Amino acid sequence: EVQLLESGGDLAQPEGSLRLTCAASGFTFNYYAMSWVRQAPGKGLEWVASINFSGETTYYGDSVKGRFTISRDNSGNTLFLQMSNLRAEDSALYYCAKDGVKNGYSYFDSWGHGTLVTVSS
Amino acid sequence: DIVMTQTPLSSVVPLGQPASITCRSSGSLVHNDGNIYLSWLHQRPGQPPRLLIYRISRRFSGVPDRFSGSGAGTEFTLTISRVEAEDVGVYYCMQATQFPPYTFGQGTKLEIK
Repeated sequence: EVQLLESGGDLAQPEGSLRLTCAASGFTFNYYAMSWVRQAPGKGLEWVASINFSGETTYYGDSVKGRFTISRDNSGNTLFLQMSNLRAEDSALYYCAKDGVKNGYSYFDSWGHGTLVTVSS
Repeated sequence: DIVMTQTPLSSVVPLGQPASITCRSSGSLVHNDGNIYLSWLHQRPGQPPRLLIYRISRRFSGVPDRFSGSGAGTEFTLTISRVEAEDVGVYYCMQATQFPPYTFGQGTKLEIK
């Protein structure tokens, strides 16, 4: 059974930093692209960032480009999101999501339960 | 970027009756490989999203057969043949063809009467 367990969400100051972690299990982690998707309270889903199966290629949404960094440790089956220069509008529940196709970008077939980031002074 | 527009944004459906949600894309979703990466997600209150349908019409593992997807071109539909109480929540369409970025519809809130 695929399991994705996010952690690292917290209350952060504006312009501060946080590092989110997603521990993956139940599948061959290094076969699949992984992504972060966020959801502000009462709002819809917003794609944040993705990383290919090997970790060599990354993609970012315009709202986080230059401030967030996605990375992965395939030996430890872990996905990361380093968040810096945080803004109030980054406050959201951050989900880790697994792609449904090996080596591709297709659909999200598994989601974690999310970790909450709140940016406020 | 591809914009995904869902209609309606909310719907109240009597138990046992059908429901449908439409998703329109602002551009073609035909990928270079010939596939259309249009999926549907369901999010119950307080829960993460879960995959229902991928590649327009393929039901994901464990999804009841009362859920079906259809469509072509830039218009896609999720249909629930007979709504059950557990189907409440918000439904999202999502495209991955024109990635990056992945883009989602605004969400359709389904309530049961």
